[in-house]
Amino acid sequence: GENVEQHPSTLSVQEGDSAVIKCTYSDSASNYFPWYKQELGKRPQLIIDIRSNVGEKKDQRIAVTLNKTAKHFSLHITETQPEDSAVYFCAARTNAGKSTFGDGTTLTVKP
Amino acid sequence: GAVVSQHPSRVICKSGTSVKIECRSLDFQATTMFWYRQFPKQSLMLMATSNEGSKATYEQGVEKDKFLINHASLTLSTLTVTSAHPEDSSFYICSARRQVTTEAFFGQGTRLTVV
Repeated sequence: GENVEQHPSTLSVQEGDSAVIKCTYSDSASNYFPWYKQELGKRPQLIIDIRSNVGEKKDQRIAVTLNKTAKHFSLHITETQPEDSAVYFCAARTNAGKSTFGDGTTLTVKP
Repeated sequence: GAVVSQHPSRVICKSGTSVKIECRSLDFQATTMFWYRQFPKQSLMLMATSNEGSKATYEQGVEKDKFLINHASLTLSTLTVTSAHPEDSSFYICSARRQVTTEAFFGQGTRLTVV
């Protein structure tokens, strides 16, 4: 089955700095890669996603890059703000539709 | 937007009793719903995939007789934790999607505490 590894497990940055979270996947059939933000006790919220026919996608301060050959994708958050503090999960999904999640990254943005 | 509602958000039950959790897609028809379990500070672990009108597909290690899943309509799936024990205490989250190629949306989760 699919295996998704996510790094780092914790990340602390100063407000205004950039944050990068990386994920690797094992199943070359995976073709959809969403990123979720989860605040304590709440549901995961989709913040950005990318499909395998695209190499990069940007939405304001958030961007995702995908390297299909290397089987890795990354989340980039620029100009971080304290409200960006949360747990971020990456996921990889095949056409069968089942998503495999990374273990999560706890991001802390210090004011 | 796509709204998925999960109920109840919190439940406390006695050991040995059963608890039913509902997951509803409010503004779309969900051909597939997923049930996850999340322990504190851990990732979402898929328990089962349910397609409307058919039996759920359980992940390895998940007891189908303990975690009963029903997906009787395109807008409702239920998870029943039978004969609950303290080790079943966890955060249970559902997600729903229209089609294989579309994104899935999460319910708000249910915090189950078995005492």
